Amino acid sequence: EAGVVQSPRYKIIEKKQPVAFWCNPISGHNTLYWYLQNLGQGPELLIRYENEEAVDDSQLPKDRFSAERLKGVDSTLKIQPAELGDSAVYLCASSLMGGHEQFFGPGTRLTVL
Amino acid sequence: AQTVTQSQPEMSVQEAETVTLSCTYDTSENNYYLFWYKQPPSRQMILVIRQEAYKQQNATENRFSVNFQKAAKSFSLKISDSQLGDTAMYFCAFTLQGGSEKLVFGKGMKLTVNP
Repeated sequence: EAGVVQSPRYKIIEKKQPVAFWCNPISGHNTLYWYLQNLGQGPELLIRYENEEAVDDSQLPKDRFSAERLKGVDSTLKIQPAELGDSAVYLCASSLMGGHEQFFGPGTRLTVL
Repeated sequence: AQTVTQSQPEMSVQEAETVTLSCTYDTSENNYYLFWYKQPPSRQMILVIRQEAYKQQNATENRFSVNFQKAAKSFSLKISDSQLGDTAMYFCAFTLQGGSEKLVFGKGMKLTVNP
């Protein structure tokens, strides 16, 4: 069974540029999560989807961050414009609806110069 | 709000020895789950072990076991017969029992297993 797929694995951009990350969850997993992991810290939730509905986006900085999961399967997280402080690892995870175990992708390491 | 604290930023152990990683948490809820995740340099978060708060029996998974003290809000991980492949960041995490809830992570602890 394929795990959670994320791309790209690495991204280097100049500040003020836009960037997008893609995530494909495990087949059949209705719940999808985006986490932000700063250096030396544990991951923190940015947004959680149940199917195509964002049910918890309270920690998403909506002035520059956006996310979508149009067909309730794969998801895209966007930053526009990127700032130096956005340099971090962006992790995607998925779970069965009502499930307690989350399965993580390999993450995207973003560097903003 | 729930918080998770890992007070040891770094530990090292010799191969084949036993090591214990500590974690405390704070919550006013009674029903929840606790996890230990491992994150090697590849960045992939891998579930090591989970514990349901309603279960008194401590969880075990092969060389990994936990000491869950609900009243003290303590959740430590014991790794027996440490292997070089155990070298990684270890994160303690908490989630409410409702299902599909967010994970609240501690800051993590870097474990190095030396040959």
